[in-house]
Amino acid sequence: EIVLTQSPGTLSLSPGETTTLSCRASQSVSGSNLVWYQQKPGQAPRLLIYGASTRATGIPARFSGFGSGTDFTLTISRLEPEDFAVYFCQQYENSPWTFGQGTTVEI
Amino acid sequence: QVQLVQSGAEVKKPGASVRVSCKVSGYTLTELSIHWVRQTPAKGLEWMGGYDPEEGEIIYAQKFQGRVTLTEDTSTHTAYMEVTGLRSEDTAVYYCAILRSAIYYYFDSWGQGTPVTVSS
Repeated sequence: EIVLTQSPGTLSLSPGETTTLSCRASQSVSGSNLVWYQQKPGQAPRLLIYGASTRATGIPARFSGFGSGTDFTLTISRLEPEDFAVYFCQQYENSPWTFGQGTTVEI
Repeated sequence: QVQLVQSGAEVKKPGASVRVSCKVSGYTLTELSIHWVRQTPAKGLEWMGGYDPEEGEIIYAQKFQGRVTLTEDTSTHTAYMEVTGLRSEDTAVYYCAILRSAIYYYFDSWGQGTPVTVSS
């Protein structure tokens, strides 16, 4: 099973700041098989990025994904108040498809 | 615009079974690949299984094989997830989601979630 380790666990930031979240895989993941989701309290996850770097429909350009192999990042530029949430990465390289434990971005 | 609407919260005793439904609107089930993911405080998000369009069959994460059954009723556009032999560790929010699997794989639409509590 591929283990995805996200860091840091929590980020305390202010609106307007830029941040980068990390997702490290225990074995190589093809970039096409790495996805990022955002989740707010009481809501289902929302697709942000697929194929490691392609923004989903309706996702603002301030969200950008990068990476290959075992190291992937999600950068959020100029945080907006609605960006404070939990962010998860997920891999589709091997079954079982696994998720990282999440990074909380808080004010 | 596809929409997934799940059944309501459930409270079950250990050893019981639970069945959660996921009704699709905007598309027919045969056009979609429905998967199930659960979320617990301890384990986070866990993919359970779903319809594999390449294999033409439902696939399961090994952890859930044998205790989870996924079915679909195309006449009512509803997918179902049943868990038997419930344990306290099965207390979770269960989500259905649509898998897109052309060049890239991702879940792009999710149900609202169904909380299931297992408690004596």
